[in-house]
Amino acid sequence: KNQVEQSPQSLIILEGKNCTLQCNYTVSPFSNLRWYKQDTGRGPVSLTIMTFSENTKSNGRYTATLDADTKQSSLHITASQLSDSASYICVVSAKSGSSNTGKLIFGQGTTLQVKP
Amino acid sequence: DGGITQSPKYLFRKEGQNVTLSCEQNLNHDAMYWYRQDPGQGLRLIYYSQIVNDFQKGDIAEGYSVSREKKESFPLTVTSAQKNPTAFYLCASSMGAGNYGYTFGSGTRLTVV
Repeated sequence: KNQVEQSPQSLIILEGKNCTLQCNYTVSPFSNLRWYKQDTGRGPVSLTIMTFSENTKSNGRYTATLDADTKQSSLHITASQLSDSASYICVVSAKSGSSNTGKLIFGQGTTLQVKP
Repeated sequence: DGGITQSPKYLFRKEGQNVTLSCEQNLNHDAMYWYRQDPGQGLRLIYYSQIVNDFQKGDIAEGYSVSREKKESFPLTVTSAQKNPTAFYLCASSMGAGNYGYTFGSGTRLTVV
C-alpha cells in the first residue's frame, strides 16, 4: 500500500534554532517527492520538489534531502523565524501506468510552532 | 497574476442542503483536483479532471459531484448524501500529465450548522 508517514506530528522550537522534519514513504513506482508549507487556513505552497536522481535541494533556509534507497526524506529549516510556524506536508508522486498521470500521496503533516 | 481562486472562504450548510464550492484558475492548466483535509489526516482526493468535460472519482467521491464545462472552472457540489461534510476543501491544478506546476487554492472551510 502506498503510504507517506511524517514525524514528528508536532514540534515546538525557539526562534533562531534549526530543526529537521522527517518523511518516510512506501510509494512505488516513485516519481518525485515534494515538501509543502501550509499556513493555518490557507492552501499548501510548494517548497521543493525532488526526482529520483536528486538527493538535496534548497529553497532559502529550507533544505530537503532524499534517500531513494531507504525511501526517506528530510526537511531542514535553518535559523527558524516566527513566520515558519505552519504545517509542513510531505507529498510523494507515484507513476501511474499508461495514463502517465501520477497520483499524489500526502503525509499527515508536521505542525511546527516557532516561539520567540 | 496567474493563480487559482476558491470561493467562498467560509461556507455554512444546513442539514439536507446541497452547497457548491467554486474553483477558478487562470494558469491555463489542463488538470484540476478537489481534496478534503481533516485534522491530523493527509489530504484525500475527492475528484479530478484532466480535460474539459471529463472527470474521475478519487478516493472519497461518495456524496460529492463535480462538473468541468470550462477549462478554467471545476466546481464541487457537496450533496446531502455526504454525511460528514464539515472539513477544509482544497482545489488544485496542474499542467497536464505528470503533475507539473501543481498549485493549490487558498481553501474553503465548510461547516454544517
